[in-house]
Amino acid sequence: ETGVTQTPRHLVMGMTNKKSLKCEQHLGHNAMYWYKQSAKKPLELMFVYSLEERVENNSVPSRFSPECPNSSHLFLHLHTLQPEDSALYLCASSQTGTSVLTDTQYFGPGTRLTVL
Amino acid sequence: LAKTTQPISMDSYEGQEVNITCSHNNIATNDYITWYQQFPSQGPRFIIQGYKTKVTNEVASLFIPADRKSSTLSLPRVSLSDTAVYYCLVGDLSSNTGKLIFGQGTTLQVKP
Repeated sequence: ETGVTQTPRHLVMGMTNKKSLKCEQHLGHNAMYWYKQSAKKPLELMFVYSLEERVENNSVPSRFSPECPNSSHLFLHLHTLQPEDSALYLCASSQTGTSVLTDTQYFGPGTRLTVL
Repeated sequence: LAKTTQPISMDSYEGQEVNITCSHNNIATNDYITWYQQFPSQGPRFIIQGYKTKVTNEVASLFIPADRKSSTLSLPRVSLSDTAVYYCLVGDLSSNTGKLIFGQGTTLQVKP
């Protein structure tokens, strides 16, 4: 238990569906992240929020839309996805979001997404 | 961030010490070295971090030679539950965003 929870743990959706992934952190951190991990590929950073402001968008297609209403919650809204978007989506949080690696990131368990 | 190179996979047996080496020839002066562990269908978990020489915690040791172009993660007396993917990362503390760039990692298989 890392203090970062994600729901749902598994999601199957069609290409025309709209769904949202939710992440919540109970650590009092002020930075949150979305990562994508495809099969047999390294983790890819998607978005970074620091103090509820998006500070990084790593060239992610617009069919992925993040939302950070407060420092404890992070959403990833999904719309018109493609089968190649099937992956494990991981949320993480850290204390400051400004110091790359001494600022340890705590990951949630991930949402396994399958797009049909 | 500096690129890292690790072995794709390693095998070990329970009770043995495992050493995983990471090469980072282009490491910069400000870069720290960090290792994460990831179990299947879980997010990565921070293991250890260092800048030079040796760092030890309750889980592992990290050895960094003087030139800092490589580092070795040492896991003492591994058990079956240490079977996981281990990632080596290097990064610049002066970066203004918390960006982690993961490589392929090393898949450690611990056998009975």
